[in-house]
Amino acid sequence: AQTVTQSQPEMSVQEAETVTLSCTYDTSESNYYLFWYKQPPSRQMILVIRQEAYKQQNATENRFSVNFQKAAKSFSLKISDSQLGDTAMYFCAFMKPYTGNQFYFGTGTSLTVIP
Amino acid sequence: GAGVSQSPSNKVTEKGKDVELRCDPISGHTALYWYRQSLGQGLEFLIYFQGNSAPDKSGLPSDRFSAERTGGSVSTLTIQRTQQEDSAVYLCASSLFGDNQPQHFGDGTRLSIL
Repeated sequence: AQTVTQSQPEMSVQEAETVTLSCTYDTSESNYYLFWYKQPPSRQMILVIRQEAYKQQNATENRFSVNFQKAAKSFSLKISDSQLGDTAMYFCAFMKPYTGNQFYFGTGTSLTVIP
Repeated sequence: GAGVSQSPSNKVTEKGKDVELRCDPISGHTALYWYRQSLGQGLEFLIYFQGNSAPDKSGLPSDRFSAERTGGSVSTLTIQRTQQEDSAVYLCASSLFGDNQPQHFGDGTRLSIL
């Protein structure tokens, strides 16, 4: 079975600073997909960034980037120039292909951006 | 275009009553998922529909929970004889089928059992 672990239940960062959220996972698969989702107080889950395991290059989306370490099974999210609107729960998710797209989610990290 | 729509957004009911939660996925999305999110917790997978295939019900916590998807589109999650521990936000997501297809989530239904 796949498990996803987010070891930081809560984090805070000063506005404009950089913060890194950690995520590790356990799998015996060689090919898979990883995602970070954001859930603001409005409740809707929003896709932040995704990474294919077969790609060595770390994904980047504007202020969001990942540090994907396949051997270590680590997938951390870096948020640069933090903004107040980044305050949210962040969930790391793992997807094994050819399984019906079932996602496995971590328990989340609550991020607060302090003005 | 329209996103995933869930209704009602909030539901308060008495213990022992049955409830129905509705999800209207994005048009063209063949995959549909239900998750439960308890206060301060992550997402707990409940059930997955893909096209006309038999649903994956492996996440349903008890036989009081059931779901159906009519015509490959709208889905209804039914909880019978509700218990207080059923109180949670129920999230629905849909996606295209295929590798690397992200799930698109609705705003959820907040269910409160008195």
